[in-house]
Amino acid sequence: DAKTTQPPSMDCAEGRAANLPCNHSTISGNEYVYWYRQIHSQGPQYIIHGLKNNETNEMASLIITEDRKSSTLILPHATLRDTAVYYCIVRVAASGYSTLTFGKGTMLLVSP
Amino acid sequence: KAGVTQTPRYLIKTRGQQVTLSCSPISGHRSVSWYQQTPGQGLQFLFEYFSETQRNKGNFPGRFSGRQFSNSRSEMNVSTLELGDSALYLCASSLGTGVAKNIQYFGAGTRLSVL
Repeated sequence: DAKTTQPPSMDCAEGRAANLPCNHSTISGNEYVYWYRQIHSQGPQYIIHGLKNNETNEMASLIITEDRKSSTLILPHATLRDTAVYYCIVRVAASGYSTLTFGKGTMLLVSP
Repeated sequence: KAGVTQTPRYLIKTRGQQVTLSCSPISGHRSVSWYQQTPGQGLQFLFEYFSETQRNKGNFPGRFSGRQFSNSRSEMNVSTLELGDSALYLCASSLGTGVAKNIQYFGAGTRLSVL
């Protein structure tokens, strides 16, 4: 799996958009980008995933650059409940097993 | 649809004892993975089971073992507990195939304290 790099922490004001970057410069053509988050003392929660097109669901949007070497998770209107550690994970879909390798992630603090 | 259920939520054990943790996956999910989370090491993969077979294993000693039953429910066992085994143990389930195999749904975890 390609290595990912994320900033250790970010701040965001409530109601504003939170843009969380992830660098995955060694990503290969068959690797997907997955985002998870973990709210304190809870299990991680799947947010969104993508291959090369931008994706949107009810939780967030995922923007992947054309060269696929980086991506940005966008929470359009952050709330206090979005305070969490956000993990960007790059994984091959075709491998025979599902093992997620979590790095240190980005601690997003949403303030009033 | 019910989520991933882990029992018990909290456990206190003493060194040298053994412990068994249980995980009930989302209905229809055939893959169950286990992770250990500690403040120092973060989230680390323990093992994954798919259709009752261990499909992958992380870098943990043999004291950590698991199994999966025909209904996809899974248990993990830790024998000869050490202080360093104190952690939050998380179970996750997924469909187990294709792109969706990496979309894992996590339980709330079992917090194990070893005294």
